[in-house]
Amino acid sequence: QQPVQSPQAVILREGEDAVINCSSSKALYSVHWYRQKHGEAPVFLMILLKGGEQKGHEKISASFNEKKQQSSLYLTASQLSYSGTYFCGTSGRANNLFFGTGTRLTVIP
Amino acid sequence: ETGVTQSPTHLIKTRGQQVTLRCSSQSGHNTVSWYQQALGQGPQFIFQYYREEENGRGNFPPRFSGLQFPNYSSELNVNALELDDSALYLCASSVQGMNTEAFFGQGTRLTVV
Repeated sequence: QQPVQSPQAVILREGEDAVINCSSSKALYSVHWYRQKHGEAPVFLMILLKGGEQKGHEKISASFNEKKQQSSLYLTASQLSYSGTYFCGTSGRANNLFFGTGTRLTVIP
Repeated sequence: ETGVTQSPTHLIKTRGQQVTLRCSSQSGHNTVSWYQQALGQGPQFIFQYYREEENGRGNFPPRFSGLQFPNYSSELNVNALELDDSALYLCASSVQGMNTEAFFGQGTRLTVV
């Protein structure tokens, strides 16, 4: 039930873009994206509910392809504050959220 | 900062002992989910509580049990602690059926020696 994320880690320079992918072998009802900084709790970024829906949060946006059971998180013009580990969480109809293994993003000056 | 609070923040227990962790949900939220996060791993779903009953469970043995109280706060109990139970335990509160965001507490760091 755990979704698979790729890449596992990525290093960016400030201003560069990145894409983080999340895929599931099960039918998805929603996809949630969180960012966790070291020693802190995961922080909610966005939720996607419909197939093909895209949502945005400042320079962070995401898409959800329900048919392919995939979601992607897009980070544009990255800032130092974007550093952290990004998790996608997926749920079926039961509303229980299962998280992927995470993608560690490091933004350097 | 969310309104989800967990206690204690850190805990050291001996193998074989029992532990109780507590979580107060955010105001207006009626559902609490518990997660185990090992170092370098994603949060693993333990179970969810809604209306004081278990409402879904991950792949965890029965020695992991929980409660939810009328005020929506929750407890996680782990019996017969094992070394591999050492992890950060996170609770998240949400509103059942709305498929909205879940807000996480700061977690309890449990070390089993």
